[in-house]
Amino acid sequence: DGGITQSPKYLFRKEGQNVTLSCEQNLNHDAMYWYRQDPGQGLRLIYYSQIVNDFQKGDIAEGYSVSREKKESFPLTVTSAQKNPTAFYLCASSFGQADNSPLHFGNGTRLTVT
Amino acid sequence: GIQVEQSPPDLILQEGANSTLRCNFSDSVNNLQWFHQNPWGQLINLFYIPSGTKQNGRLSATTVATERYSLLYISSSQTTDSGVYFCAVNQGAQKLVFGQGTRLTINP
Repeated sequence: DGGITQSPKYLFRKEGQNVTLSCEQNLNHDAMYWYRQDPGQGLRLIYYSQIVNDFQKGDIAEGYSVSREKKESFPLTVTSAQKNPTAFYLCASSFGQADNSPLHFGNGTRLTVT
Repeated sequence: GIQVEQSPPDLILQEGANSTLRCNFSDSVNNLQWFHQNPWGQLINLFYIPSGTKQNGRLSATTVATERYSLLYISSSQTTDSGVYFCAVNQGAQKLVFGQGTRLTINP
């Protein structure tokens, strides 16, 4: 079945440690995105990538980094510079650009940093 | 930037009732999408609807782009319809701007 796989589902880390969240898609979508969701809030864009080896910052990129070495994969690293990393992280993809293609999401990773 | 407002913020209904959720946006948009987030956090794309009306089973959506709003209709609600409904809009860039959501609770 085609879809977007995020792993792990739950992740616990100590403050000061970097952590990488995995996102893989087999939908042959060109564009991939990372969003952050805080309790009771909407989604905010962290980074997006339209093609391999290219990515752009979203609204809240500080303290995060990404790579897009393969079309299928778009990992997100939450660095120790991110002041409030505890959140629900959602990866998404679309066939074309976000302004003309439906967005599809993975099941998310809940990150807790203590 | 563009503002997206959803109403009501919370809605509690009995199973079988109908509901209308509203999304207002402050500027012209290229597209609008509706999503349902279930209690486990999974987000499902319900409609891609920059204008006009679409229907999918018990759900339908209408976007009136000239008046800057969209409506999501849910008929004959079921408990599985519970969750948070988000609308998101785009103005021509890669960034989708999400509203704060409407939390729908369907009681048996």
